Amino acid sequence: NAGVTQTPKFQVLKTGQSMTLQCAQDMNHNSMYWYRQDPGMGLRLIYYSASEGTTDKGEVPNGYNVSRLNKREFSLRLESAAPSQTSVYFCASSLLDPDQPQHFGDGTRLSIL
Amino acid sequence: GENVEQHPSTLSVQEGDSAVIKCTYSDSASNYFPWYKQELGKRPQLIIDIRSNVGEKKDQRIAVTLNKTAKHFSLHITETQPEDSAVYFCAASSYTGTASKLTFGTGTRLQVTL
Repeated sequence: NAGVTQTPKFQVLKTGQSMTLQCAQDMNHNSMYWYRQDPGMGLRLIYYSASEGTTDKGEVPNGYNVSRLNKREFSLRLESAAPSQTSVYFCASSLLDPDQPQHFGDGTRLSIL
Repeated sequence: GENVEQHPSTLSVQEGDSAVIKCTYSDSASNYFPWYKQELGKRPQLIIDIRSNVGEKKDQRIAVTLNKTAKHFSLHITETQPEDSAVYFCAASSYTGTASKLTFGTGTRLQVTL
């Protein structure tokens, strides 16, 4: 059982380039989330999708777009990468109920030069 | 929105001692409080959680307490071992009516020394 799978694991971009981070879960979860993790700042929510067909902004959505492709897949796109977006990005998923834990993928380490 | 504060940011204990990490939250509607452990270069992993209808929960050497009136919750690790060294995050869950979201604390780096 793979759980939450993120690709790629590492990526280096130049300022202004675009890229899409992929996330897929095989736990039949309704909700999916994208976080960024920066030193000393914990995990900050970028976007989330409560269920297939819906997406909403989190705490730090500027510079990002998302697509909930189907129940399994939730992608994060950087249209024009900036050095401030250098971070570790985590995808997570959970059941829709408010008292259920989120399960995380292994993360994508993204550097923007 | 929800705001979660976590203290201390770093904690060093000797093997066998206890460690306590404290968090406060702002939204009285929050009803679910998970704790995650993150080893260097790894994903955050759930180690214990507590729901608002419970005051305390234990799992072997780990326990969590919740005081809803004061809006704070704590993680207690007893008989610490070197493998407990990691960063620990608390979180509080708020429900919008259509989705639940977690707000995380900024983390506590626990070092267990021999």
